[in-house]
Amino acid sequence: EVLLVESGGGLVQPGGSLRLSCVASGFTSSTYWMSWVRQAPRKGLEWVANIKPDGGEKYYVDSVKGRFNISRDNAKNSLYLQMNSLRVEDTAVYYCARRRTGWPFDYWGQGVLVTVSS
Amino acid sequence: LVLTQSPSASASLGASVNLTCTLSSGHSSYAIAWHQQQPEKGPRFLMRLKSDGSHSKGDGVPDRFSGSSSGAERYLTISSLQSEDEADYYCHTWGTGIQVFGGGTKLTVL
Repeated sequence: EVLLVESGGGLVQPGGSLRLSCVASGFTSSTYWMSWVRQAPRKGLEWVANIKPDGGEKYYVDSVKGRFNISRDNAKNSLYLQMNSLRVEDTAVYYCARRRTGWPFDYWGQGVLVTVSS
Repeated sequence: LVLTQSPSASASLGASVNLTCTLSSGHSSYAIAWHQQQPEKGPRFLMRLKSDGSHSKGDGVPDRFSGSSSGAERYLTISSLQSEDEADYYCHTWGTGIQVFGGGTKLTVL
């Protein structure tokens, strides 16, 4: 069974940092692109970042460039999102998702809540 | 690259409904995906839908869900509507390094 389990969310003050993790099981994560997608309260889905299977390419939505860093450890089947200089507008449920090259996301995690507030 | 969806749709229990996703100008050849998000749950992949109307469904997706295409329009058809089909439906496409979502359609089953 394919599972993606996120962790690391919580309440943080504006300007603070948080590191999200996503552990994959049931498949060989090193053969998949992995992504973070977020959903602000009562809003739609917004793609945040992608990372290539070997970690050699990374892409970000403009609003998080320079503040967020996506990384992975294939030996641990894990994906990470280091979030710095957090803003109130980063408040959202963050999902990790997998996809193959040329294909859409086919499995999603259950999500983890990040709240940025003073 | 923009995907446009109607904000809401409704249909009766047991009936059929078509949801539409429109690709922006110049992108009518793109494949898309449909994802379902039931209340208080994470998204679930329903299908990948190509410009020729061929589609590949996710694991365990019922036969009641089907897709079709016409030009820049991509359709999700749900037949024999059930109460658990009440959810938000998002279309999604991808380009070099980027992923794009439509704004979502909230489906109400009457």
